[in-house]
Amino acid sequence: GAGVSQSPSNKVTEKGKDVELRCDPISGHTALYWYRQSLGQGLEFLIYFQGNSAPDKSGLPSDRFSAERTGGSVSTLTIQRTQQEDSAVYLCASSPAGDTEAFFGQGTRLTVV
Amino acid sequence: AQSVTQPDIHITVSEGASLELRCNYSYGATPYLFWYVQSPGQGLQLLLKYFSGDTLVQGIKGFEAEFKRSQSSFNLRKPSVHWSDAAEYFCAVERGATLGRLYFGRGTQLTVWP
Repeated sequence: GAGVSQSPSNKVTEKGKDVELRCDPISGHTALYWYRQSLGQGLEFLIYFQGNSAPDKSGLPSDRFSAERTGGSVSTLTIQRTQQEDSAVYLCASSPAGDTEAFFGQGTRLTVV
Repeated sequence: AQSVTQPDIHITVSEGASLELRCNYSYGATPYLFWYVQSPGQGLQLLLKYFSGDTLVQGIKGFEAEFKRSQSSFNLRKPSVHWSDAAEYFCAVERGATLGRLYFGRGTQLTVWP
């Protein structure tokens, strides 16, 4: 596609439910990143994929958070047993191999009620 | 600990006035440096980046930034602001340990008065 696509754009969920956030990177981009943007914490790195493997998942805040990437393309960020503090905008970015310029999607705004 | 500091949370300028947004970083070596802009409800758009070489870099939308090693700064400038520049601006660094992993400042919100 023309850019990084994220879905849904908005998600409201009840506390305790699981949610899945999807990211479609730019075609051909091998690197994929998830970030979280919240009022209290600013922009935080969550996880990085190179191809289908995740060499850096150090930013995941708890074991309720997980992510996978299949076919070197689409990635899914899963949050289990959501808490109110998970409310944030989740941003996905991708970049070509060997290039540090990351292209960001418009994000998924998650609200946990 | 590494950090990126944007000391100004909110800046207001008149349309046509010049702009400078400050960014300081604390790392042992020179990282890769970036400025991103975020309009309401939008993702982050790259304005410019510095990897090496000429310390004055030109970006999109008439923005430029100057890397000053002695001050660990990478300030963003624009000679004449347009109303459409109103947005939030983020400075970011990438240290190279994880290619593309960015550490962001807390952002500066820019308001432009007509």
